[in-house]
Amino acid sequence: EVQLVESGGGLVQPGGSLRLSCAASGFTFSSYAMSWIRQTPGKGLEWVSAISGSAGSTYYADSVKGRFTISRDNSENTLYLQMNSLRAEDTALYYCAKSAGNSCYSPVDYWGQGTLVTVSS
Amino acid sequence: DIVMTQSPDSLAVSLGERATINCKSSQTVLYSSNNKNYLAWFQQKPGQPPKLLIYWASTRESGVPDRFSGSGSGTDFTLTISSLQAEDVAVYYCQQHYSTPFTFGPGTKVDIK
Repeated sequence: EVQLVESGGGLVQPGGSLRLSCAASGFTFSSYAMSWIRQTPGKGLEWVSAISGSAGSTYYADSVKGRFTISRDNSENTLYLQMNSLRAEDTALYYCAKSAGNSCYSPVDYWGQGTLVTVSS
Repeated sequence: DIVMTQSPDSLAVSLGERATINCKSSQTVLYSSNNKNYLAWFQQKPGQPPKLLIYWASTRESGVPDRFSGSGSGTDFTLTISSLQAEDVAVYYCQQHYSTPFTFGPGTKVDIK
């Protein structure tokens, strides 16, 4: 059974940093692309970033480019999102999501339960 | 960026009746080299993450009831629930994964009339 468990969310001041983690199990982690997708009541679902199975390709939304870094440790079956220079508009529930294939262009087929990030002073 | 729009914003359907949700992309999501539409449909119930229903615009995910079907190509797509059940009350989203950023529609809320 595929399981994706996010952690690392919390309250942070504007300009601060957080590192989100997603522990994956139930599938061969290195064979699948992974993504971070966030959700807010006001802006709905917003794709944030994706990384291919081999980590050879990474993609970012313009809203986070230069501030967020996606990475993965295939030996530990873990996906990360390093978030720097956080802004109030980054406040959201952050989901870890698995793709159906190695390419980031494969459809997302599983989502974690999410971890809440709140950016506020 | 590809802009995804959905209609209607919400709809209420009687149990056992058909529900139809439309999704439109601002540019094609049909990849000509493999003839696949990079369009997925998700269902989200309150307090839960989204769940994949349909991918490649018309392929039902394993375990999804066959009352859910997807159709369309290019820029216009439809999700149909042929006979609405109480457990189908949810918000439904379309998403294109043809080009980054992989954008979502705003969602359509389905309720029971």
